[in-house]
Amino acid sequence: DAGITQSPRYKITETGRQVTLMCHQTWSHSYMFWYRQDLGHGLRLIYYSAAADITDKGEVPDGYVVSRSKTENFPLTLESATRSQTSVYFCASNTGPGSPLHFGNGTRLTVT
Amino acid sequence: GQNIDQPTEMTATEGAIVQINCTYQTSGFNGLFWYQQHAGEAPTFLSYNVLDGLEEKGRFSSFLSRSKGYSYLLLKELQMKDSASYLCAVSYSGAGSYQLTFGKGTKLSVIP
Repeated sequence: DAGITQSPRYKITETGRQVTLMCHQTWSHSYMFWYRQDLGHGLRLIYYSAAADITDKGEVPDGYVVSRSKTENFPLTLESATRSQTSVYFCASNTGPGSPLHFGNGTRLTVT
Repeated sequence: GQNIDQPTEMTATEGAIVQINCTYQTSGFNGLFWYQQHAGEAPTFLSYNVLDGLEEKGRFSSFLSRSKGYSYLLLKELQMKDSASYLCAVSYSGAGSYQLTFGKGTKLSVIP
C-alpha cells in the first residue's frame, strides 16, 4: 500500500553512538520533513527537503544530518547521540506549500 | 522561529461545543492547518485555511482571519473519541524556503 513508513519504531542507544532513522514514502511527494516531538515543546522541525539532493535546516538541526539521494527516502542520522536527543521522531511528506503533511508512525528513540 | 500560541489544555462535556484558538505571526504566512493527534499516535490532518472565513467539515469547522493572525477550530457535538491533542500549524514562505511550524498543541479532554 502507498504510504510513509518509518523504521525502527523503537530504538534504544547509548550516548556517543551513531544512529540512523529511516523514512520511506511511496507517493513520490517532493517535500519530506523530520520533526521531533517532546513534552512542552510540541513538534519542532529538524530538517526538510524540497527534492532529491536539496535539504535545508529547520528550527533544531544541531547534532543531526540528513541526506536525500532518492525522492522516496529521507534518512535522519544522529552522529553522536546525546540524552537530550531522546524523543519521538516523526517523518512527514507533502507535495509542497498548501498541501497537508502526511506523517509516518514515528520512532521512539531513547538515548541512555 | 515563528511564534504560534494555543491553549495548553481544555476540558469540555460530551455533546457540547468547544472552540480552540490559535494565534500566529503574519509575516510570510501562506496557510494554516489543524491536525488531531491521539496519544501515542501520529498527527492526522483535519483542515486547511488559506483565505479568511469559515471552512466546515462535518462536526469540525475552522476559521481564519489573516489580518489578525488568528484561527480557531470548532468542534461540535463532542464525542469521547474527540479527546486528543489539536495542533495548529502555519505554513510560511520566504527567502526561497518554505516551512510548516507547529504550535505546542491543545490537549482536549472530553468528559461524560
